[in-house]
Amino acid sequence: SAVISQKPSRDICQRGTSLTIQCQVDSQVTMMFWYRQQPGQSLTLIATANQGSEATYESGFVIDKFPISRPNLTFSTLTVSNMSPEDSSIYLCSVAGGFRLQETQYFGPGTRLLVL
Amino acid sequence: DAKTTQPTSMDCAEGRAANLPCNHSTISGNEYVYWYRQIHSQGPQYIIHGLKNNETNEMASLIITEDRKSSTLILPHATLRDTAVYYCIVRRVNTGTASKLTFGTGTRLQVTL
Repeated sequence: SAVISQKPSRDICQRGTSLTIQCQVDSQVTMMFWYRQQPGQSLTLIATANQGSEATYESGFVIDKFPISRPNLTFSTLTVSNMSPEDSSIYLCSVAGGFRLQETQYFGPGTRLLVL
Repeated sequence: DAKTTQPTSMDCAEGRAANLPCNHSTISGNEYVYWYRQIHSQGPQYIIHGLKNNETNEMASLIITEDRKSSTLILPHATLRDTAVYYCIVRRVNTGTASKLTFGTGTRLQVTL
């Protein structure tokens, strides 16, 4: 598997502000994804982070609200912009691909966000 | 990717085998069955996956029926630490960039003393 870390692990933010979440993996991977898990719900894919190009967003998610960067094969960031209480969720990074991981997807520990 | 159906919740006594069923009657020939679990407030943990043969690893066994329309995840000796939500996901592989996972609501397994 892979060692995946996320920063911060949790945060409490005021509405209208933005938070950038970092995801770091200990080996080069082909694919990096960002998911959201709202309270009491299952996981929903936000976007696929593409190295060297714009992220691919799922229906209902837009770049202005969730800008994503992926400067190399081991790192990605997700920004939650202009936050509202409805953005309170766990945000999860996952990775797949590369020599070690093949096509199985592995998840980071998540970032717990509370927006007041 | 094909849709899956799982029971909402199950109980299991500690030390007993936990058998978690999953129906995926519309599965295609190039779709694998993946199992993940999510212990409270943690990231999902990969357990096992298979195509058509039964699979076993250090965590669990996966039994897939011959017609591939259903499968069962077996935790041979459940412990309290196995209490979690278990997700059965059908997913195409060898699809390049289209390797996202679609999570359903899963089965909430409660292991009791």
